[in-house]
Amino acid sequence: DAGVIQSPRHEVTEMGQEVTLRCKPISGHNSLFWYRQTMMRGLELLIYFNNNVPIDDSGMPEDRFSAKMPNASFSTLKIQPSEPRDSAVYFCASSWDNYEQYFGPGTRLTVT
Amino acid sequence: AQSVAQPEDQVNVAEGNPLTVKCTYSVSGNPYLFWYVQYPNRGLQFLLKYITGDNLVKGSYGFEAEFNKSQTSFHLKKPSALVSDSALYFCAVRGGNTGGFKTIFGAGTRLFVKA
Repeated sequence: DAGVIQSPRHEVTEMGQEVTLRCKPISGHNSLFWYRQTMMRGLELLIYFNNNVPIDDSGMPEDRFSAKMPNASFSTLKIQPSEPRDSAVYFCASSWDNYEQYFGPGTRLTVT
Repeated sequence: AQSVAQPEDQVNVAEGNPLTVKCTYSVSGNPYLFWYVQYPNRGLQFLLKYITGDNLVKGSYGFEAEFNKSQTSFHLKKPSALVSDSALYFCAVRGGNTGGFKTIFGAGTRLFVKA
């Protein structure tokens, strides 16, 4: 199995631009999670899906952030418009029934 | 409310010595407990879990953890540390079948193993 796949691995964009992060979970997993990690705030859960349905999005910082999971093999996290304070590493993780999670390599986002 | 605490920001240990990384938790119902490790510029990697059964669970890379219900702890241990064990370690907890779906991660403990 290829594991959780995230793209792009690095993204540099200017403030105000739209950013879309992509994730392909491990085949057969039914739970998907988006996290953000920074030195200041550590690891933060943004949103998680179960069977493609958003269960808890209370961690999404504000309306500029949105996430979708149109099918079991693909999810996106979109930031529009982006701001410098959104700079972080964004991780996607998947699991079966919310047992142990398997993390992707992350997307390092820099907003200038 | 669920919570998990890792009381030490950093643990220093000499190579070859035993190591312990501490974790305490609070959760509704029976806990599901996990340890993850993060190496630089990588995603978190699952090490081991406790769901039910034997209180001592063994995981990857020679790590083990002991579930202690009375002390609500799940400390990570290894009998002999390696320099390559130096990394950031996260404890995580979720409630069992009645405890909801959300997994809570601790703040992380940075382990330094000195040669």
